[in-house]
Amino acid sequence: DAGVIQSPRHEVTEMGQEVTLRCKPISGHDYLFWYRQTMMRGLELLIYFNNNVPIDDSGMPEDRFSAKMPNASFSTLKIQPSEPRDSAVYFCASSLSGVARPQQFFGPGTRLTVL
Amino acid sequence: RKEVEQDPGPFNVPEGATVAFNCTYSNSASQSFFWYRQDCRKEPKLLMSVYSSGNEDGRFTAQLNRASQYISLLIRDSKLSDSATYLCVVRNAGNNRKLIWGLGTSLAVNP
Repeated sequence: DAGVIQSPRHEVTEMGQEVTLRCKPISGHDYLFWYRQTMMRGLELLIYFNNNVPIDDSGMPEDRFSAKMPNASFSTLKIQPSEPRDSAVYFCASSLSGVARPQQFFGPGTRLTVL
Repeated sequence: RKEVEQDPGPFNVPEGATVAFNCTYSNSASQSFFWYRQDCRKEPKLLMSVYSSGNEDGRFTAQLNRASQYISLLIRDSKLSDSATYLCVVRNAGNNRKLIWGLGTSLAVNP
């Protein structure tokens, strides 16, 4: 079975450029999460969706960040304009409802470097 | 103060040793508890859930102390392959799926 798929795996861009990260959750999962991980702050939840609807975006750092989930099998996280402090590993994860202790399955991450 | 706190380590232990990690959480209403494992430059993966009565999975034992608000993970007979970062994770009460993550404890098992 395919796990969570993310693309690109690595992205190097210059300050001010737009960055789009992509995620395909596990088929049948109805929750999708976007995280950012840095050494200093660890894993931080940015936003999560349930059935394609954003539920909690309180972790989105500022207006430069936006996320969409147009259908059950695809989500994007966009940063515009990007800044050097956005450099981090961005993970997408998905999980299934109806489970008492829902496990989150993570994609391999996108390593973003903003110069 | 972070909501979930862990000793960052690193813990350096020889193969075969027993090692224990603790984690404290600040929200007394926290409802579910987990340990995730993250290998270097990889994604986190669920190691085990933590149940109120404590639970064991092979060489791994997890314990929860609600009164003191801490969670522990014990690894017995450690293997080289146990080298990783162990993340303590908490879900608060309420109908939400938000997980709160510790920064992780780094373990290096040496030959």
